[in-house]
Amino acid sequence: ETGVTQSPTHLIKTRGQQVTLRCSSQSGHNTVSWYQQALGQGPQFIFQYYREEENGRGNFPPRFSGLQFPNYSSELNVNALELDDSALYLCASSFGVAGTPGELFFGEGSRLTVL
Amino acid sequence: AQRVTQPEKLLSVFKGAPVELKCNYSYSGSPELFWYVQYSRQRLQLLLRHISRESIKGFTADLNKGETSFHLKKPFAQEEDSAMYYCALYYGGSQGNLIFGKGTKLSVKP
Repeated sequence: ETGVTQSPTHLIKTRGQQVTLRCSSQSGHNTVSWYQQALGQGPQFIFQYYREEENGRGNFPPRFSGLQFPNYSSELNVNALELDDSALYLCASSFGVAGTPGELFFGEGSRLTVL
Repeated sequence: AQRVTQPEKLLSVFKGAPVELKCNYSYSGSPELFWYVQYSRQRLQLLLRHISRESIKGFTADLNKGETSFHLKKPFAQEEDSAMYYCALYYGGSQGNLIFGKGTKLSVKP
């Protein structure tokens, strides 16, 4: 069984740039959620994708967007980067409607630094 | 508004001592609560959920609706329990709708 994988593991950007983070879901999972974890904080829900559509969103501005592909992998895109976007971005997959709400399987994260 | 509070940033105990990691929540609906754990250099993983009333690695957690709490307990701490613990509230809608607390770092000393 292949777990959730994320890439890149680390990256540095400057203010105003755009970034794309990638996630491959765990084998058999069709739902992907993205979280932002700032230093010293718990993960904060950004959005979730199911069947290639966003089906839930937290309190994040539209410059945070995503995609899900037919193989259930996903991308998180952030435009017009701000210093406060510096954080660990976590991807989590789950079984979708067949699974237990709240039971998520996390990747190791992509650490974004915005200078 | 929904909220999860973990009042302790750091909890330090000796091996064999009892452990209680506190979690309080604020939610007007019927709560579904979870404990997630992150061991050193490992990914965040589910430890237990209140609905299954299970004991995992000796840990238990009871939902107390009157006190709006979901404290995590273990009678005898082990060094391998040292980790970051997050309490999380599922508040409905999509599966990923979890609100996490800020976490408590548990350090078990030999």
